[in-house]
Amino acid sequence: QVQLQESGPGLIKPSQTLSLTCTVSGGSIRSSGYLWNWIRQPAGKGLEWIGRMFISGSINYNPALKSRVTMSVDTSKNQLSLKLNSVTAADTAVYYCASEPITARIPYFDSWGQGTLVTVSS
Amino acid sequence: SYELTQPPSVSVSPGQTASITCSGDKLGDKYACWYQQKPGQSPVLVIYEDFKRPSGIPERFSGSNSGNTATLTISGTQAMDEADYYCQAWDSNSVVFGGGTKLTVL
Repeated sequence: QVQLQESGPGLIKPSQTLSLTCTVSGGSIRSSGYLWNWIRQPAGKGLEWIGRMFISGSINYNPALKSRVTMSVDTSKNQLSLKLNSVTAADTAVYYCASEPITARIPYFDSWGQGTLVTVSS
Repeated sequence: SYELTQPPSVSVSPGQTASITCSGDKLGDKYACWYQQKPGQSPVLVIYEDFKRPSGIPERFSGSNSGNTATLTISGTQAMDEADYYCQAWDSNSVVFGGGTKLTVL
């Protein structure tokens, strides 16, 4: 299994664009046989899937967030990135990146990062 | 959009069997998986593709899926199993999570 580590700003203002990075170790993003996912969790609440992508560029987004989300990969840095624009307080959450084995019959997440808390507040 | 429904809470005595359900329309025709999340920690996969256990997950964790309901069963529940549990499925090119169930070991 790969190891994942999220990083981000911690605090951003409403209407700004949230930018997060997930650094992958223990394998190359390009050849590791995984798809890459972002998931978030508001404090005290459940999990919400944001989107998934494969190195080929194939991407699925949560329809509820699709208009505001962009996922990408930087293979030279072995990093994933997430951008969420026009944020509001409702986007305050712990954001996780997670790996999904390419062999999965349905997406499931066998490795998660520790998560990074993002607070949207003026 | 597809929805998965879990009971908010389940209680069990140590050593007994805990069952956590996850309901969704024709869920048995899809695959389900389950995650355990302890306070302040990231979720951990405990069951995938209905009944398969990842390496390192104790045998007391098992899963089933039929009809409209997937079930996570914990046999011989231990205090360390107290956690939130989430089911998850895939529908219309989207990952869907259940609302989560808090398992209390009394």
